[in-house]
Amino acid sequence: EAGVTQSPTHLIKTRGQQATLRCSPISGHTSVYWYQQALGLGLQFLLWYDEGEERNRGNFPPRFSGRQFPNYSSELNVNALELEDSALYLCASSLGLSNTIYFGEGSWLTVV
Amino acid sequence: GNSVTQMEGPVTLSEEAFLTINCTYTATGYPSLFWYVQYPGEGLQLLLKATKADDKGSNKGFEATYRKETTSFHLEKGSVQVSDSAVYFCALRGAGGTSYGKLTFGQGTILTVHP
Repeated sequence: EAGVTQSPTHLIKTRGQQATLRCSPISGHTSVYWYQQALGLGLQFLLWYDEGEERNRGNFPPRFSGRQFPNYSSELNVNALELEDSALYLCASSLGLSNTIYFGEGSWLTVV
Repeated sequence: GNSVTQMEGPVTLSEEAFLTINCTYTATGYPSLFWYVQYPGEGLQLLLKATKADDKGSNKGFEATYRKETTSFHLEKGSVQVSDSAVYFCALRGAGGTSYGKLTFGQGTILTVHP
């Protein structure tokens, strides 16, 4: 069974541009989570989607946004990129609230 | 809000040494507790979990017991191997309020095991 898959693996963007990261959850999972892992800053919660709705949001500016599609896959959009947005972006999924969260391999975003 | 505190790293051990990585938490209600491991250049892998007080999670020789009285979930392994070298994250999953649904992570502990 396929795990959580993310694309692209690596992405290089220029400051001010927009980045779009994609995530496919484990088959049957309805919840998708996004985390940012910046160097030296640990894992910061970004967004949680369940059944197409945003359920919780971390302490990030509005230029970080996303959505969940009817097939439960998800996109994370980062507008007006800043240098400090350079990080590993991890997507995770779970089957509802009471179940374990499984992570993908991540997408490396570099802003130059 | 919820928070997780892990022991400061990095931790350097010789092969076959005993490992303890301390983890304490602050949370309302009854969170679930997890240990995740991140090998170099990879994403997070679930190592073990415990969902209620006194539960013991175990996997690949690693163990951790959910201690509600001390709000702790320390990770232990009796004999580490070079292949255990990685970053270990303690995490909790809240049940309500602003922590609803999300995992809150500790800062991570880098473990290096030498032959």
